[in-house]
Amino acid sequence: SQTIHQWPATLVQPVGSPLSLECTVEGTSNPNLYWYRQAAGRGLQLLFYSVGIGQISSEVPQNLSASRPQDRQFILSSKKLLLSDSGFYLCAWSVSGVGHTDTQYFGPGTRLTVL
Amino acid sequence: AQSVTQLGSHVSVSEGALVLLRCNYSSSVPPYLFWYVQYPNQGLQLLLKYTSAATLVKGINGFEAEFKKSETSFHLTKPSAHMSDAAEYFCAVSEGTGGSYIPTFGRGTSLIVHP
Repeated sequence: SQTIHQWPATLVQPVGSPLSLECTVEGTSNPNLYWYRQAAGRGLQLLFYSVGIGQISSEVPQNLSASRPQDRQFILSSKKLLLSDSGFYLCAWSVSGVGHTDTQYFGPGTRLTVL
Repeated sequence: AQSVTQLGSHVSVSEGALVLLRCNYSSSVPPYLFWYVQYPNQGLQLLLKYTSAATLVKGINGFEAEFKKSETSFHLTKPSAHMSDAAEYFCAVSEGTGGSYIPTFGRGTSLIVHP
């Protein structure tokens, strides 16, 4: 069966500090990978998605970046955090193509507080 | 293009009462439709999905949803609410081609269950 891991679970960082959030998927090959953010009381905001190693698409201009160094690893980074980066970050995976339905499966999330 | 509208950011019901969460969608092709549930400080969990088979879809925890093409709706129902159903619910649409990669999510509906 497939599983998805995110870490850390919670993080408190000062403004201007760097960020690295990691997501790994087990039990599937060549998944589509996604990073979402939920600000307090708001819906899901798609930040990045990737359909393969080294292939990253950005949905929103911001001070965040994403990388996919391995097939089942997706990393969200920032060089300098802003207060507005606070939120709940969710990683998700899906499989596309004939016979698949683009169902997304979500990780447990990382709660980031920027002070 | 695809879009999702969830009517009502908050729905309040009494324990044992019918739950009805509304979702309307637009899609230029036959869609795949999803309902996800999110408990506090957790990731999203798939409740059920419609993928062009039976129009009445049964999911986990006693929830079901009916795809109505003429109304472009995919409302979520449960005959009798439990306290444990209190959560955020998201409707999502994917343009059913298996190659769209990115479902569109609604803004979410918070279900409040009163004793």
